[in-house]
Amino acid sequence: DQQVKQNSPSLSVQEGRISILNCDYTNSMFDYFLWYKKYPAEGPTFLISISSIKDKNEDGRFTVFLNKSAKHLSLHIVPSQPGDSAVYFCAARRAEGAQKLVFGQGTRLTINP
Amino acid sequence: EPEVTQTPSHQVTQMGQEVILRCVPISNHLYFYWYRQILGQKVEFLVSFYNNEISEKSEIFDDQFSVERPDGSNFTLKIRSTKLEDSAMYFCASKLRSSSNTEAFFGQGTRLTVV
Repeated sequence: DQQVKQNSPSLSVQEGRISILNCDYTNSMFDYFLWYKKYPAEGPTFLISISSIKDKNEDGRFTVFLNKSAKHLSLHIVPSQPGDSAVYFCAARRAEGAQKLVFGQGTRLTINP
Repeated sequence: EPEVTQTPSHQVTQMGQEVILRCVPISNHLYFYWYRQILGQKVEFLVSFYNNEISEKSEIFDDQFSVERPDGSNFTLKIRSTKLEDSAMYFCASKLRSSSNTEAFFGQGTRLTVV
């Protein structure tokens, strides 16, 4: 049941450049999307989110873009910093019910100095 | 900053034993969740809890699992008879309210190893 997919298991980016992490989903009932960042031996930490009524949300160096027709979202980090090295999870949920999160497999981002 | 805390950080148990994982959600939050992540796999939803009852559970959450909020602060996950395949990181999460544009906050996790 791959409702949320992150097709790139890893990504390596030079410090100062833009990091782009991608996520696709299949369930059209999802209406809220989140990105979490995870360091080893820690829990996921909320990064940024976007509602399905928007196509862009920006918070400092982080911007999330949503393309509903393509069922695709992306996270842009610019400029990338060494502290951004972590695993990034895309997650989605529906408005009603328990609002459980459905996660992608994660993308390991490595920022090279 | 308020945070979700989980204990223990690592639990080793023998197959067939009962184990209780503990969580203290953020104090004014109303919605509570357990997720797990088997090594190398994605984070999976187990169960959600609101108003002292389970609001949704996944197919993973069978009769061997139970949750409880025994007092105003703790939220526990019990596995009655552990199996090798229960070995995973277990994450507790809490959320303030049901409105769509609020995020869930996660604890640091409990690594459960069943031997």
